Amino acid sequence: KQEVTQIPAALSVPEGENLVLNCSFTDSAIYNLQWFRQDPGKGLTSLLLIQSSQREQTSGRLNASLDKSSGRSTLYIAASQPGDSATYLCAGSSFGNEKLTFGTGTRLTIIP
Amino acid sequence: DADVTQTPRNRITKTGKRIMLECSQTKGHDRMYWYRQDPGLGLRLIYYSFDVKDINKGEISDGYSVSRQAQAKFSLSLESAIPNQTALYFCATSDYRQASYNEQFFGPGTRLTVL
Repeated sequence: KQEVTQIPAALSVPEGENLVLNCSFTDSAIYNLQWFRQDPGKGLTSLLLIQSSQREQTSGRLNASLDKSSGRSTLYIAASQPGDSATYLCAGSSFGNEKLTFGTGTRLTIIP
Repeated sequence: DADVTQTPRNRITKTGKRIMLECSQTKGHDRMYWYRQDPGLGLRLIYYSFDVKDINKGEISDGYSVSRQAQAKFSLSLESAIPNQTALYFCATSDYRQASYNEQFFGPGTRLTVL
């Protein structure tokens, strides 16, 4: 069973800085790794999905990487803005069990 | 219009009452899921359905039941609500037929409070 961990639970960064959010998973036979954004009291917005055969995906200022051998994924946010403040969740699934297992998230605050 | 909708968005009920949460999607996806979110515990899977005739329990199905009325509709019922079922509930969809590696898309959530 895939287990997913996100550390730290909270992060504050000054506006304009580049930052990296971390996600660790236990099963290297990962099927996909999905990054979400959640605003307070709101639903989840899918940001990026990395397939097992890929090493990274990019969307605008966001870049997500996947390293199966080390059991890690990172979400890189360039030139952070106050509007990036939210909780970021990663979720992974394994081959033969394509249900997502979620981490508990990193709450990101961008300080103007 | 939103691709995945949930009704109601907020609900306050009393212990012992029967509650139904509804989810509809216009994405044409075959798979649908129900999750609950609790502070500090992340999202946990309650039930999932790969098509209308295929319904499966997730990791925390006790106290819940579901119905897949059509490809586009998936309902979650609490037969006799209890206070520890107070949580934020999410519906999600995915389409395994596409080369999307089962990317999931979420509804806006239903905040349920059981008194």
